[in-house]
Amino acid sequence: DAGVIQSPRHEVTEMGQEVTLRCKPISGHDYLFWYRQTMMRGLELLIYFNNNVPIDDSGMPEDRFSAKMPNASFSTLKIQPSEPRDSAVYFCASSSELTGAEQYFGPGTRLTVT
Amino acid sequence: LAKTTQPISMDSYEGQEVNITCSHNNIATNDYITWYQQFPSQGPRFIIQGYKTKVTNEVASLFIPADRKSSTLSLPRVSLSDTAVYYCLVAVYNQGGKLIFGQGTELSVKP
Repeated sequence: DAGVIQSPRHEVTEMGQEVTLRCKPISGHDYLFWYRQTMMRGLELLIYFNNNVPIDDSGMPEDRFSAKMPNASFSTLKIQPSEPRDSAVYFCASSSELTGAEQYFGPGTRLTVT
Repeated sequence: LAKTTQPISMDSYEGQEVNITCSHNNIATNDYITWYQQFPSQGPRFIIQGYKTKVTNEVASLFIPADRKSSTLSLPRVSLSDTAVYYCLVAVYNQGGKLIFGQGTELSVKP
């Protein structure tokens, strides 16, 4: 397996634009996680899915953020409209269990909003 | 609410044993404790996971006392390539299955 795949690897956009981040989890994993990492706040869980259903989105900062998982092999994290404070590295991870099994992280998407 | 606390940074020398402790109050009896390693420009990578007492694998050991209010990651004989940030992760069932990462410990291994 190629591991968790994220695209794009880097994204530079202007404030107010819509940004869509994409993730392909490892085949067979029932859990998918979206994280955000910044120097100030560290690694934060934004949302996670179980069998394509969002379970906990309490980490999503505000209504500008939305995440979907239309099928078992694809998920998106959308920011609309984007703001400079959204600049961060966004990681997607997948796992076979919520706990008790390791999470496999993708390489991340570095987002810069100017 | 559960919270995890780790030292911000640690220094060590090649060949030494390094112990990094994470404090986690209010975790439930069935919460796992997991440690991850992260290199610059990469996603975190799983190191070890435990539930109680001691767990050992080929790269590390994890010590969890009976009260489970802390855990200690032990890296034997570190090398320069172990320079990274180490995170503890606690899965908190009594908060609806929330996953809480520590703020990370930046380990610097010197020759």
